[in-house]
Parts: sequence; C-alpha cells; structure tokens
Amino acid sequence: AQTVTQSQPEMSVQEAETVTLSCTYDTSESDYYLFWYKQPPSRQMILVIRQEAYKQQNATENRFSVNFQKAAKSFSLKISDSQLGDAAMYFCAYRSAIGTYKYIFGTGTRLKVLA
Amino acid sequence: KAGVTQTPRYLIKTRGQQVTLSCSPISGHRSVSWYQQTPGQGLQFLFEYFSETQRNKGNFPGRFSGRQFSNSRSEMNVSTLELGDSALYLCASSLTGYAGELFFGEGSRLTVL
Repeated sequence: AQTVTQSQPEMSVQEAETVTLSCTYDTSESDYYLFWYKQPPSRQMILVIRQEAYKQQNATENRFSVNFQKAAKSFSLKISDSQLGDAAMYFCAYRSAIGTYKYIFGTGTRLKVLA
Repeated sequence: KAGVTQTPRYLIKTRGQQVTLSCSPISGHRSVSWYQQTPGQGLQFLFEYFSETQRNKGNFPGRFSGRQFSNSRSEMNVSTLELGDSALYLCASSLTGYAGELFFGEGSRLTVL
C-alpha cells in the first residue's frame, strides 16, 4: 500500500524568505501523480502544484516549485518570497495513475509566515 | 461557476445517533469523493463515486456509507456515532476522478458528544 509522510508538523518562515516543505512517499508503482494542496484557515483546500511521475522536469507555479526525486521518493515544495497569505496547512498527496481512484494524503505541515 | 457546496457546515450529535452530510459538486463534475480530516491524521479517504457508482472505498467501518444521485450530488451517512467520529468531513469533486485537480468544499464539522 502507498503511504505519504510529512515529517514537519509545523514550520515558520519570515515574510519574503524561502521555505521548503518536505514530503516522502512509498510506492511500488512507476506511474503516479503527486500534488501539494493548501488549506488556509477556515477556507477551502486548493491545489498548489501537481507533478506527473513520468516527467523529469520539476513543476513550477509562480513562487511555488517542487523538487521531485523519483528514486528517493521525495517530493518537496519550495515557496519563494513568502507572503502572509501563504500561511496555511499544506498537504502532500499521491494518486496512482492506474486502478484506484483514491488520493492518499500526508498528515500536513502547518506553515506560519512571520511579518 | 459555483464551487463545491457542503451542508450542514457545523453539527453536533450525541453518541449513537446518525448523521447525513450532503455535497453538491461543481456543475459538470461527475466524481465526488469524501475525506475525514482529523488533527494529526491528515485526510483519510472514505469513498469515491462516479455516475452513481462507488468506485473505491477506504478503510472505514460499515457505519460509514454514501451514495450519489443522478445529478451528481452526494450524501454520506454515519450511523451509530462514536466520539472518534468527530472530524471535519470534506467533499471533493472532479471531472472524472482521474489525476485532475480535486475541488474541495469547505467541509462539514461534526462534533459527537
């Protein structure tokens, strides 16, 4: 069975600085998708960034980028030029490319942005 | 375009009671999935429906059930509530349930006393 591990329950970053959130996963599959979702306080969870496992190039969305290391089964999220609005819970998620339709989420990392 | 709507937003029940939660997906989305979110556990997958059929189910007891209607709206039911069922229940919709983006509702926060 696949698992997703986020070992940092909480992190802090100064406004305008860069922070990296860690995520590791375990799977025997070769084709899958990885996601980072953001859940602001009392607001809906939204997709931050997505990575297809067959793509070697790391995904980037504006200030958000990932470091995808397939062999190491690592999928970290880097937030550059952190803003107060980045404060939220961040969840790493895995989804197989075939078969089941469920997403497997990590336990989340709460990010605090300090002014 | 309206987002995913979940009702009720908050509810308090006592042990032994049952509860029904509702989810209206984004128009055109045929896949609806449900998750239980608790502190320290993250999101735990409950089940996923597509065109009124349950395609996958998580590791939850049979007290947790769901269904999807022809208009893609979905309901989940928890019978014989236990204290440990207190959680935020999130519904997410997507076009097909494949690797596209999940669109989440704001959740239904259930407190069991």
